[in-house]
Amino acid sequence: GENVEQHPSTLSVQEGDSAVIKCTYSDSASNYFPWYKQELGKGPQLIIDIRSNVGEKKDQRIAVTLNKTAKHFSLHITETQPEDSAVYFCARVSGGSYIPTFGRGTSLIVHP
Amino acid sequence: DGGITQSPKYLFRKEGQNVTLSCEQNLNHDAMYWYRQDPGQGLRLIYYSQIVNDFQKGDIAEGYSVSREKKESFPLTVTSAQKNPTAFYLCASRRTAQTGNTIYFGEGSWLTVV
Repeated sequence: GENVEQHPSTLSVQEGDSAVIKCTYSDSASNYFPWYKQELGKGPQLIIDIRSNVGEKKDQRIAVTLNKTAKHFSLHITETQPEDSAVYFCARVSGGSYIPTFGRGTSLIVHP
Repeated sequence: DGGITQSPKYLFRKEGQNVTLSCEQNLNHDAMYWYRQDPGQGLRLIYYSQIVNDFQKGDIAEGYSVSREKKESFPLTVTSAQKNPTAFYLCASRRTAQTGNTIYFGEGSWLTVV
């Protein structure tokens, strides 16, 4: 599938700060955008997702925003905690393909 | 509990050997996937299957083979033709072929060539 560019590759923040991870895509047919959190040695876990008919979705301290015109979507984590430290992956799915394309991941480090 | 079970968690392979990684799901999902993850890298698709008795190659299928004889099972064989098999392997599944349904992952299997 079409690539997904994810930035930054590493993000280091202090506990309580906010963290933002951004992904860009090129396939205009993309209509589903999940975010996954992967802890060391484990499988990725879905933390939030958004569909193309919605611009923003929030779940407690995490939120995702989608700009279809600019073809980018972002993960926002507020009031970060040490347990938020993990690798975060964005993904996109196009209508009709059912195959997600993943970004290369962002290693988030939250310092206590 | 419902979920995706991968086994074994750790596997060591001698060069020239084939090994098979197991993936079982009791979520009644139609689609199943195998991904490879190398350190510091993203997820690369090896094979996927939308329905029983059907599967398609992903981006890095060379040196791998799969079967889908049952809805709940999607084993991956890493053959001796795979020149660099040491990696973390992830199995995933999805409820239907409809766009937007969540993909769930297993806990992964570590394969090391010794």
